[in-house]
Amino acid sequence: GDSVTQMEGPVTLSEEAFLTINCTYTATGYPSLFWYVQYPGEGLQLLLKATKADDKGSNKGFEATYRKETTSFHLEKGSVQVSDSAVYFCALSETRGNNRLAFGKGNQVVVIP
Amino acid sequence: KAGVTQTPRYLIKTRGQQVTLSCSPISGHRSVSWYQQTPGQGLQFLFEYFSETQRNKGNFPGRFSGRQFSNSRSEMNVSTLELGDSALYLCASSFPEETQYFGPGTRLLVL
Repeated sequence: GDSVTQMEGPVTLSEEAFLTINCTYTATGYPSLFWYVQYPGEGLQLLLKATKADDKGSNKGFEATYRKETTSFHLEKGSVQVSDSAVYFCALSETRGNNRLAFGKGNQVVVIP
Repeated sequence: KAGVTQTPRYLIKTRGQQVTLSCSPISGHRSVSWYQQTPGQGLQFLFEYFSETQRNKGNFPGRFSGRQFSNSRSEMNVSTLELGDSALYLCASSFPEETQYFGPGTRLLVL
């Protein structure tokens, strides 16, 4: 079935550093792609999304581009803040009419002042 | 617009008991999906309800069930609780498909 793979392990970086979290996917159709963020003790918040190839989703300084040729949707931010410390999940929605999200394992991001 | 609400936020149960969790979607949203989040398995899809009908189902045993009411509110029930059912249960709503908005979750601890 459809699946999402995120890079292993937590990410620790200093404030104002550049952040990249890798996400690749396997899908039979043309999925929509999402990044969700989870702060401690909370549910998931939608960070950004892209619904077709070459779309770029962006929000709060974060960006991700839907790359069909490399089946990737990497998350980037140019200058992180301490408040960006959270767990980030990449997800795909398999097809239209199907609200079943498949998630990656998530990456803990810790930003040090 | 109010977000997705889930009640209760925390629950402690013992093995063998059953539990019912509630989810109220964003006003106007007709689809409600449920997910289980555990440290070992991550986020897994349980089921989705749309217009009071189960539209999708994940790979969970029959002890996990749900329903949706005419006002789109949804409940999920877990019978004969096991230790491994300890998890954060997340509800998400959408109108009518694609982008899902999540509630804060119900944290269930089974002792």
